[in-house]
Amino acid sequence: ETGVTQTPRHLVMGMTNKKSLKCEQHLGHNAMYWYKQSAKKPLELMFVYSLEERVENNSVPSRFSPECPNSSHLFLHLHTLQPEDSALYLCASSQVAGIGSSSYNSPLHFGNGTRLTVT
Amino acid sequence: GEDVEQSLFLSVREGDSSVINCTYTDSSSTYLYWYKQEPGAGLQLLTYIFSNMDMKQDQRLTVLLNKKDKHLSLRIADTQTGDSAIYFCAEKGSQGNLIFGKGTKLSVKP
Repeated sequence: ETGVTQTPRHLVMGMTNKKSLKCEQHLGHNAMYWYKQSAKKPLELMFVYSLEERVENNSVPSRFSPECPNSSHLFLHLHTLQPEDSALYLCASSQVAGIGSSSYNSPLHFGNGTRLTVT
Repeated sequence: GEDVEQSLFLSVREGDSSVINCTYTDSSSTYLYWYKQEPGAGLQLLTYIFSNMDMKQDQRLTVLLNKKDKHLSLRIADTQTGDSAIYFCAEKGSQGNLIFGKGTKLSVKP
């Protein structure tokens, strides 16, 4: 079983739909992330759950809503998306030790992503 | 602010060495990373280097770090067609997450 699993692999949705992306990690990590990958742009960090706390990213529109019920699962709930939200959404996990500037964060392990198309 | 810059494209012939360069801004970064992304896949960690190191070698991969110039490079020896992919440089951000460059697309010609 791969370390980080994302479902579905592909999703096409209309602007009025509600859907959810799912991520599961089998690595025993305690931090999980959502990244957005658009063409010709750097990967954009959307949300971080670290040590069961959510790190807000104020630049993410409210039509994206994360949920982290436990350290192994992460969801991204989508509603009333726009065509410009079409992208590859990548989930990642890592192990965090310590807090603040002295924390150690293991390398991120990524899933294969969900390719989202908003029509 | 935190920023990572890479050239967007690199083309080499099979068997040659590839050198992918990266510059970063945060001098306090403790770790720097190289990830590889093949078509239709997520990012795969290739290697990483601790900031107190100048060089790290792992089989065909050599990472060089010039901390003074905030310059990181990845050298792939004897490049193969299977090495064709997008390579991302990343530094650890202040939130503990990774700050990525836009990626360098490596094309290997037979």
